[in-house]
Parts: sequence; structure tokens; C-alpha cells
Amino acid sequence: GAVVSQHPSWVICKSGTSVKIECRSLDFQATTMFWYRQFPKQSLMLMATSNEGSKATYEQGVEKDKFLINHASLTLSTLTVTSAHPEDSSFYICSAPGDRGPEQYFGPGTRLTVT
Amino acid sequence: DAKTTQPTSMDCAEGRAANLPCNHSTISGNEYVYWYRQIHSQGPQYIIHGLKNNETNEMASLIITEDRKSSTLILPHATLRDTAVYYCIVRVVNSGYALNFGKGTSLLVTP
Repeated sequence: GAVVSQHPSWVICKSGTSVKIECRSLDFQATTMFWYRQFPKQSLMLMATSNEGSKATYEQGVEKDKFLINHASLTLSTLTVTSAHPEDSSFYICSAPGDRGPEQYFGPGTRLTVT
Repeated sequence: DAKTTQPTSMDCAEGRAANLPCNHSTISGNEYVYWYRQIHSQGPQYIIHGLKNNETNEMASLIITEDRKSSTLILPHATLRDTAVYYCIVRVVNSGYALNFGKGTSLLVTP
């Protein structure tokens, strides 16, 4: 099946700094990728839709200036958490529709801890 | 996407079949039933999907009632590694939209 990777798998940063998370489709091209956030004991919540070559679409309540998304190629989308605060600590997951089937493929997730 | 209802949690003994139910009474004719699972601290994993016929793959079987208002995911011989949160999602295939995750069913497989 198709593979989606994320880097880093976990990161600890200080409050006020910025963190970049990468999402790559390894063996297929993805014109669209999705970014989710998951707090402990909760379900995945969609944050934004990343579109190759155009601006991302953000869900209601998600600050686009805080969560910068760049989808510069057909295999890479990045999420930058700017001026991170402890409340941004969460599990961030990306996904992409596969090119050979109807299902979506998810990355392994990135655990962000802001101290 | 049609709304789904799943039990909050279930237990299953290792080696036995795990039957996870899902209600989707407002499903539309062009909506499929998808199942994903999420093992702790990992990304969700696709399991199976179907429209109206029963489906089986190497991971599980999906039984959809004739009126399509409910379905059951069956893990025929549950192992400890099947302990996870299982999500039933109803959506149009290849819609291009993200998946809408509900709360899912937390399945605990015990020795």
C-alpha cells in the first residue's frame, strides 16, 4: 500500500519558538494532503487541507497565521507551528488520498510538546 | 457525511472473534462504509470499506445490513495487537474530502 511519512516523529520545543513538521508521500503523488490534530483521549480533528500549488484551506477556529502550511511539491506538505505555546502540545497527523484506491493513507504522527 | 454511532468501548478475549457494530441510519445511496483503526500513538490505519455487499480482506470482514443502516466489522481471531480505537466512517468514495472521525470504539483484547 501507499506510504506516508512524517518527520520528526516527536519534538520538544520551548514556548515562543516555531516548529516545522514534514509530511511526505513516499511512493505516490498527492495534490491534496490533510492535517489533523489529536489531543489526549480525543479523536482526530481536521485542521486544514493542503493543496499543491495553492493556499491551504483551514477549518473554522484554526488560525492560519499560527499554523502555516506549505505544499510545494506533489510529495511534500509542511506544517509550521509558529510561536508555539503549551496549549499547542498535541499529536499532529497528516494524510493523503492514495492514487490506487479510495482509502486515505495516514502518516505515523508527530508528537509535539511545548514547554 | 452521514452520522455514525458506535459503542464507546468493547472487550474481547484473545483468539475470539471481535464484532464491532456501527449504526448509520442516515446513510445515502452513494455513501460507503469505511473502517479505520488507530493503535495508541500511531496514525490511523485503513481496514476495509464497502457499499452494500459484504466484504472480506486479510484483516477483517465487513457485514452491511440489507437496508444499509448498520454494519459490523469482524476481526475473526483477535490478537493483543488488535487493541486499538476503531472508527466507522460513512462517506462518498473518492470525494476528495478529509475523513470525519467520530469517537470510535476502543477495543481491548485481553489474554
